[in-house]
Amino acid sequence: EAGVAQSPRYKIIEKRQSVAFWCNPISGHATLYWYQQILGQGPKLLIQFQNNGVVDDSQLPKDRFSAERLKGVDSTLKIQPAKLEDSAVYLCASSLTAGYTFGSGTRLTVV
Amino acid sequence: GENVEQHPSTLSVQEGDSAVIKCTYSDSASNYFPWYKQELGKRPQLIIDIRSNVGEKKDQRIAVTLNKTAKHFSLHITETQPEDSAVYFCAATPPGGAGNMLTFGGGTRLMVKP
Repeated sequence: EAGVAQSPRYKIIEKRQSVAFWCNPISGHATLYWYQQILGQGPKLLIQFQNNGVVDDSQLPKDRFSAERLKGVDSTLKIQPAKLEDSAVYLCASSLTAGYTFGSGTRLTVV
Repeated sequence: GENVEQHPSTLSVQEGDSAVIKCTYSDSASNYFPWYKQELGKRPQLIIDIRSNVGEKKDQRIAVTLNKTAKHFSLHITETQPEDSAVYFCAATPPGGAGNMLTFGGGTRLMVKP
């Protein structure tokens, strides 16, 4: 089966700019997650979707981060405006049951 | 919410030796415990998982044990090889049906010296 697709692979932006990441989950996976992985740390959940509905966004900094999954398939994560501390790898994952499959991630550098 | 602690943060072993990584969790309702391996610059990949109705699971050189009473679980790698060098993450998730959020530990950087 095809994996979880993410783009772009890398992104460098200046602080206060905006950026968007895209994720296409494995076909048929109803649940989609966005995780933030800061260098040297474990992934931290930002938001979980079940189909096109939000299940958990309690750790999403809503003043600057937003995410959507309008048709229950692809998802986008946006940061506006970016801060230096947003530099991290943003991982998308999808699941059918309990096991996750991660995408390759987008490495964001905010300068 | 769930909190997962992982130790040690770094582990260096000689090729052929065993490596053990330990994790504790806080939510006694958690019932699924996967382990992920992440090589430098790559995505985390599931290597083994265990559910709360099982005490131990083995897959070739990798095994995971779970102690529900003590709320801790461990990853055991035997006969380590240089290609086992990576960062390993444990995770836990509470029950509730399909697609539950995982809470990850902080990771263990394993270095296997040839």
